[in-house]
Amino acid sequence: GQNIDQPTEMTATEGAIVQINCTYQTSGFNGLFWYQQHAGEAPTFLSYNVLDGLEEKGRFSSFLSRSKGYSYLLLKELQMKDSASYLCAAMDSNYQLIWGAGTKLIIKP
Amino acid sequence: IAGITQAPTSQILAAGRRMTLRCTQDMRHNAMYWYRQDLGLGLRLIHYSNTAGTTGKGEVPDGYSVSRANTDDFPLTLASAVPSQTSVYFCASSDRLDSYNEQFFGPGTRLTVL
Repeated sequence: GQNIDQPTEMTATEGAIVQINCTYQTSGFNGLFWYQQHAGEAPTFLSYNVLDGLEEKGRFSSFLSRSKGYSYLLLKELQMKDSASYLCAAMDSNYQLIWGAGTKLIIKP
Repeated sequence: IAGITQAPTSQILAAGRRMTLRCTQDMRHNAMYWYRQDLGLGLRLIHYSNTAGTTGKGEVPDGYSVSRANTDDFPLTLASAVPSQTSVYFCASSDRLDSYNEQFFGPGTRLTVL
């Protein structure tokens, strides 16, 4: 079957760095997405990886290892506004997104 | 209109009633999607459309129907609502279905079926 695993909740301190891990199993693979979702709001796109390696975009970076079925989202210089859920989603062979349940990130001052 | 709009924002519905959730996008995207989001679960795809006039079933299509008469609109209908359909429903769109494509989400409809 198809499955995405990510931690349910993480806590970090303002100004610090946090890494949110995601493992995936899909029928075929056409890329890995990360979305951010603030409470009560819609998900918004953060990053996309289809090749192995690290993609950096400002304070956020995303890494992919296709051979390991593994990705992580790295958030640097954490700000209070980064408190949100982070959703990992893998695109399968039918170009449908398989979503994880999300990681709720709590930032403490 | 900018992006994707959904209506209503929230709704309380008696079981057995028919309900249509509306979704409109102004980005001229070809592909549109309906998801439901439940606590502790990932977004689950209900139905999708890769272009006007065509629709397809997602992971959890039972009890729901969709239509795509034009590019902009993609309504979701619950023919006879049941309590298990209580959820937050998100409509999304993307430029295309069959390649890398960032999906843009509407603000969601919170539906409660009693």
